[in-house]
Parts: sequence; structure tokens; C-alpha cells
Amino acid sequence: QVQLVQSGAEVRKPGASVKVSCKASGYTFTSYYIHWVRQAPGQGLEWMGIINLSGGSTSYAQKFQGRVTMTRDTSTSTVYMELSSLTSEDTAVYYCARAPFRLGHFDYWGQGTLVTVSS
Amino acid sequence: EIVLTQSPGTLSLSPGERATLSCRASQSVSSSYLAWYQQKPGQAPRLLIYGASSRATGIPDRFSGSGSGTDFTLTISRLEPEDFAVYYCQQYGSSPSTFGQGTKLEIK
Repeated sequence: QVQLVQSGAEVRKPGASVKVSCKASGYTFTSYYIHWVRQAPGQGLEWMGIINLSGGSTSYAQKFQGRVTMTRDTSTSTVYMELSSLTSEDTAVYYCARAPFRLGHFDYWGQGTLVTVSS
Repeated sequence: EIVLTQSPGTLSLSPGERATLSCRASQSVSSSYLAWYQQKPGQAPRLLIYGASSRATGIPDRFSGSGSGTDFTLTISRLEPEDFAVYYCQQYGSSPSTFGQGTKLEIK
């Protein structure tokens, strides 16, 4: 069965970076896309960007341009999202989600990774 | 970017009743690239509907989606206790993909 398993919770100080992983299984890794979506406490869902697992190309929301990097390792079927220059406003649960097409719905989601930014 | 506005913000209904949730877009959503997700506390969102009206795998037929252009609706025909949650609409036809602010469906 399709599974996206994310890394555990992280605590960072303001100004630091965090790298969250998302390990995929149960399907052909490179045939899909992975999106990253975040959710601040008590808030809605915010799209951050997309990575094409076949070629590795990325597209990021303008809000995160210059601060986010999405990469993938096809040998381990793992996707990474690194966010730098963290502030308290980056405290959120970060989700990876699979899509069958570049313009595709998100059919499977990871369990989420809580990133807390606090001094 | 396309702004999605969901209404109502909170919907209070009883099990067995019919729920109608609305999602309005600030501009036309191309090719009906509109999805609905259900989220329960402490859980990731779950895909219910994609392409405005196609049910995702394993989703009961009491859930249905309709609409096109700028107006979309999620209908739950007869509410079950497990349906009380927050529902989000999402457009994925143009970048950036955007989500509505959510409708909380609570037990009356």
C-alpha cells in the first residue's frame, strides 16, 4: 500500500534551518510528484511547492522563494524539504503529499512533521 | 493567485442530516481542478473528491461533489458520526495551488 512516512518533530532556534524527510513506499517513486504543504497551529493549509520525482525539477510558492529547497533521492525513495532563516511564524506541521500529475490532486499524505521555532 | 472562500465557516448538524458545503473561487478554476479534503484533529488531510466530482478510492458514496467555474459544492447526503471534521477545498489547476480556509462540521 502507498505510504509516505515523514521524519520526527524538530525544534529550532530563530535563524536556523530545518530539513524534513518524506520516505515513499508502495508505488513507483519516480512516476509521481510530491508537494509540501504546511499548517500553522489552528490554521488552514498552505502550499509551499512541488518536486518532480522523475527529473528533480521544482517550483516553489513565491512566499518561500530563496528560503526553501526541495530535493529527492531516488535510491532511497526519499524526498527532502529544507527551510532556512526560520522565524516563529514557521512553526507549523509540514506535510508531504503525492500527486499523480503536475496539475494533480493530492491523493496520499504523510503523517506530518511538527517544526517548532523558539528561542 | 486564486482565492477560495468556503462557507459557512462552521456548520452544526445532527447525524442523519444532509450537509452542503460551498467553495467559491475568485476566478474560474481551469478544467474543474478542484478537490475536497477532510481533516480530523491530529491527522493529515484525506482526499475525498477530485476533478470537482470524482470520488477518491474508498470514499463512501454519501460524499458527492459538484460545480464548475467559480462555484463548487460538497454534499454529504446522510451524516455519520465519523463525518464531523474540518473540510477544505483546493484548486490545483493554476500555480500556486490554493486552499480554502475550511468549514468545520460539528455535531449539533
